[in-house]
Amino acid sequence: EDQVTQSPEALRLQEGESSSLNCSYTVSGLRGLFWYRQDPGKGPEFLFTLYSAGEEKEKERLKATLTKKESFLHITAPKPEDSATYLCAPLNDYKLSFGAGTTVTVRA
Amino acid sequence: SQTIHQWPATLVQPVGSPLSLECTVEGTSNPNLYWYRQAAGRGLQLLFYSVGIGQISSEVPQNLSASRPQDRQFILSSKKLLLSDSGFYLCAWGQGPGANVLTFGAGSRLTVL
Repeated sequence: EDQVTQSPEALRLQEGESSSLNCSYTVSGLRGLFWYRQDPGKGPEFLFTLYSAGEEKEKERLKATLTKKESFLHITAPKPEDSATYLCAPLNDYKLSFGAGTTVTVRA
Repeated sequence: SQTIHQWPATLVQPVGSPLSLECTVEGTSNPNLYWYRQAAGRGLQLLFYSVGIGQISSEVPQNLSASRPQDRQFILSSKKLLLSDSGFYLCAWGQGPGANVLTFGAGSRLTVL
């Protein structure tokens, strides 16, 4: 059975304090690893797709990396507007298996 | 451009009452459509997906059903709601084989009392 574990569950950062979120997964037939951002009460918004180990993607202050068993989302010098829940989702053939997410709060 | 609409945004229903949540997609044809449920502190759980009109796959046995009467319409239903059906329901669409990138609707918050 596919398993996705995200850690930590919650992360409180000071503005400018860089940190990393972890997504570990056990998925057979991995076709890709997706990262989404979700604001309270809203649907998730797509951030990145990673397809192979060693791949990296960047968007503003976010950088996602992928290994064979894990993915990391690095937040560099975060701002309060980066506060959100970040979800990772490995893709196995036809479906995404979402983790529970890491809720990031950035204080000014 | 493609857009996805989901309604109602919020509803409160008594136990045993029926449910109908609707989702429509504009600006694309033959999308893959999905219903997810998100419980507090838990990941999104895939409930149903559809690759075409009348084609529904269920991921978990439950009190819910889904239908796709038109190419870009996806409906989530229940005949009798349970307390455990409470949650945040999300419709999503994707294009092509597999899930590819999913675009989510704004969600429907269901509270069963």
